[in-house]
Amino acid sequence: EVNLWESGGGLVQPGGSLRLSCAASGFTFSTYAMSWVRQAPGKGLEWVSGVSGSGINTYYADSVKGQFTISRDNSRSTLYLQMNSLRAEDTAIYYCARVTGAAPGIGWFDPWGQGTLVTVSS
Amino acid sequence: DIQMTQSPSTLSASVGDRVTITCRASQSISSWLAWYQQKPGKAPNLLIYDASSLESGVPSRFSGSGSGTEFTLTISSLQPDDFATYYCQQYNSYWTTFGGGTKVEIK
Repeated sequence: EVNLWESGGGLVQPGGSLRLSCAASGFTFSTYAMSWVRQAPGKGLEWVSGVSGSGINTYYADSVKGQFTISRDNSRSTLYLQMNSLRAEDTAIYYCARVTGAAPGIGWFDPWGQGTLVTVSS
Repeated sequence: DIQMTQSPSTLSASVGDRVTITCRASQSISSWLAWYQQKPGKAPNLLIYDASSLESGVPSRFSGSGSGTEFTLTISSLQPDDFATYYCQQYNSYWTTFGGGTKVEIK
């Protein structure tokens, strides 16, 4: 069974940092691009960042470019999101998701993890 | 960035109703569109990909259509388990975007 499990969320003060992890199982992790998607409380879905299967190519939404860094460790089947200079507007549930589609790195998200809540507040 | 506009934002319907949700792209995305269902407190769940391909295990009452800039998700006969929020997603490029969501409520 394909499974994704996020961890690392929590309460952090404005300007602080946090690193999220997403542990994958049930598939060959290195052959899939992965993404982070977030959802602010009561709001819709916002794609945050993506990374190719090799980890060489990374992509960011304008809202987090220069602030967040996506990476992966294929030997550990784990995806990461390093979040720096956090602001109140970064408060959200952060989901990791596997990318599936015809073109490498581009496609739909399936499955999704259960999400981890990041709260930025003093 | 490609903007995705969903309508309506809220829909009230009864069990057994035929329901249609629309998603419009700000530029052509061919058939590079997916639909998701999300229930409160849960992660989104894939329903449709490539605009009209039904994900394995998803009931056949769900269907998707469209290409270019206009797409629809149809639920042929609404069931109690279908009351949820639905999102479209375009994946025409690496910079993917979602629609704002459509909440399907009990009438």
